[in-house]
Amino acid sequence: DGGITQSPKYLFRKEGQNVTLSCEQNLNHDAMYWYRQDPGQGLRLIYYSQIVNDFQKGDIAEGYSVSREKKESFPLTVTSAQKNPTAFYLCASSIDRDTEAFFGQGTRLTVV
Amino acid sequence: KQEVTQIPAALSVPEGENLVLNCSFTDSAIYNLQWFRQDPGKGLTSLLLIQSSQREQTSGRLNASLDKSSGRSTLYIAASQPGDSATYLCAPYSGAGSYQLTFGKGTKLSVIP
Repeated sequence: DGGITQSPKYLFRKEGQNVTLSCEQNLNHDAMYWYRQDPGQGLRLIYYSQIVNDFQKGDIAEGYSVSREKKESFPLTVTSAQKNPTAFYLCASSIDRDTEAFFGQGTRLTVV
Repeated sequence: KQEVTQIPAALSVPEGENLVLNCSFTDSAIYNLQWFRQDPGKGLTSLLLIQSSQREQTSGRLNASLDKSSGRSTLYIAASQPGDSATYLCAPYSGAGSYQLTFGKGTKLSVIP
């Protein structure tokens, strides 16, 4: 089955820890994106990558980091510098930057 | 900066009704606009993609229209079913240095059997 796989589904982080969220796609898409969703707010863009080894900051990149070493993978690290990391994180991909986007099932991150 | 507004925020209808969800956006310089569905605690499912050159797109009981010049899109759902209950999100894709989908807060639809 082609699609986008996010793991884990639920993640708990202690104060001061870095955690990495996984996003893998087998759709052969060039573009990949990370969004954050908070209750009562629209999705907000964290980072995006149009091609391997290249990525750009979105609207709320502070406290996050990414890498794009392989076309299939776009992991997101939530660092200790992110002051309010509890949220639902969604990864997406598209063939190119202005084509249909497909989303994974999300990772719910909670700080404990 | 692109801003997206969806009206109404919530809608409850009896099964079988036809309904319209509205989406407005402030920057008409878009490449396309996508409509998504989100079930509670789940990711987004793409419903329809309308290119900026198109006026309308249809998939089954769903029909989306786009009026780029006025910054509006509508999603029409025919003969609603309880399984249509979900949050519906519209997202125009903007370029010009900000290559991203911008999302509204969505319309939460409940279809009552």
